[in-house]
Amino acid sequence: SQQGEEDPQALSIQEGENATMNCSYKTSINNLQWYRQNSGRGLVHLILIRSNEREKHSGRLRVTLDTSKKSSSLLITASRAADTASYFCATYTGTASKLTFGTGTRLQVTL
Amino acid sequence: KAGVTQTPRYLIKTRGQQVTLSCSPISGHRSVSWYQQTPGQGLQFLFEYFSETQRNKGNFPGRFSGRQFSNSRSEMNVSTLELGDSALYLCASSSVRDGEQFFGPGTRLTVL
Repeated sequence: SQQGEEDPQALSIQEGENATMNCSYKTSINNLQWYRQNSGRGLVHLILIRSNEREKHSGRLRVTLDTSKKSSSLLITASRAADTASYFCATYTGTASKLTFGTGTRLQVTL
Repeated sequence: KAGVTQTPRYLIKTRGQQVTLSCSPISGHRSVSWYQQTPGQGLQFLFEYFSETQRNKGNFPGRFSGRQFSNSRSEMNVSTLELGDSALYLCASSSVRDGEQFFGPGTRLTVL
């Protein structure tokens, strides 16, 4: 079963614009991770944020985590056509020893 | 370091057959997890192995099984294939229990 939902389900922006994706989850977590997937290929790990962290940056990526609202957001600044992909959040709970994925956001960046 | 490798990349089988998929983790990673991805159900956890022991299992029927070898390589087996087993099967390895998981390119299984 899915841990939660991501919104929007699809997002279309132009190159240079910022893209924001949101993720909500249901249970307490150890950490939350964001992954990218290009056209049904393998998942690429983007960033991990632990439950005691509120914000994390990696290059053009900024992730926030609000454990009180059980939500996270991924911001991609200055989007490029190469950022076109599906983005998934995944939560890790220590007792379950597994990642539980959200439904994903399909991002389309046009020139 | 070489990434996670999965073989074969594509597979076509017919209903009732069985299939074995293979995964080689990143060198030094002892945890290997398997996921199934379908358009309808999304990414679903199958099982996780650590040091040849299954640590966790998802909500899949007993037709889905796996194992891990002493060199951390892992295999998963699906017996008596059904049309609904058509999916992308992804393997991931991790060096620590709650760390990043690194995914392989996946095996695309089509059941006819």
